[in-house]
Amino acid sequence: NAGVTQTPKFRVLKTGQSMTLLCAQDMNHEYMYWYRQDPGMGLRLIHYSVGEGTTAKGEVPDGYNVSRLKKQNFLLGLESAAPSQTSVYFCASRPTSSTDTQYFGPGTRLTVL
Amino acid sequence: SQQGEEDPQALSIQEGENATMNCSYKTSINNLQWYRQNSGRGLVHLILIRSNEREKHSGRLRVTLDTSKKSSSLLITASRAADTASYFCATDLIMNSGYSTLTFGKGTMLLVSP
Repeated sequence: NAGVTQTPKFRVLKTGQSMTLLCAQDMNHEYMYWYRQDPGMGLRLIHYSVGEGTTAKGEVPDGYNVSRLKKQNFLLGLESAAPSQTSVYFCASRPTSSTDTQYFGPGTRLTVL
Repeated sequence: SQQGEEDPQALSIQEGENATMNCSYKTSINNLQWYRQNSGRGLVHLILIRSNEREKHSGRLRVTLDTSKKSSSLLITASRAADTASYFCATDLIMNSGYSTLTFGKGTMLLVSP
């Protein structure tokens, strides 16, 4: 049982390049989330999904797109990376209800030059 | 928007001492959770306290909740160097979609020196 995994762990992009971050969970969780964490800012929700085929915007969705084609995978895309998107990105999953805990992946450190 | 705010932002203590971190939040909650993050790693769930509970224990952790003051505290007793980490409180936030997500504070950075 690997829990929540993220690929890649590190990435450096040039401004304007695109990339996709992959999150995978093997716990059959319905809900999945993408956060970004910046120094002094805590975690901010980018997008989330409450089930296969569904996505919704979080607090800071601009510049990102997501897809949940399979229940176990949640992809985060950057179409045209900007230096402001330099951050550490965390994926998380949760069974369903508000009393459930969230399980986090190890993070992806992205630098945009 | 961030619902919870931890206090203090940073805390430095010696091994064996107790560490207390506080969290204040703005709106009514169903439950409040505490998470821990070691440097460079993902967050790990520590404990959940429901809105109808006032205190909860788990090992060396003690969490209190005061819904009238909209605040919670996390106490780590007999701290160890391995407790060095950032600690976050999290509360449920109902989104426009009607579904809930967790919203996190900015965290308290705890340093426990040997």
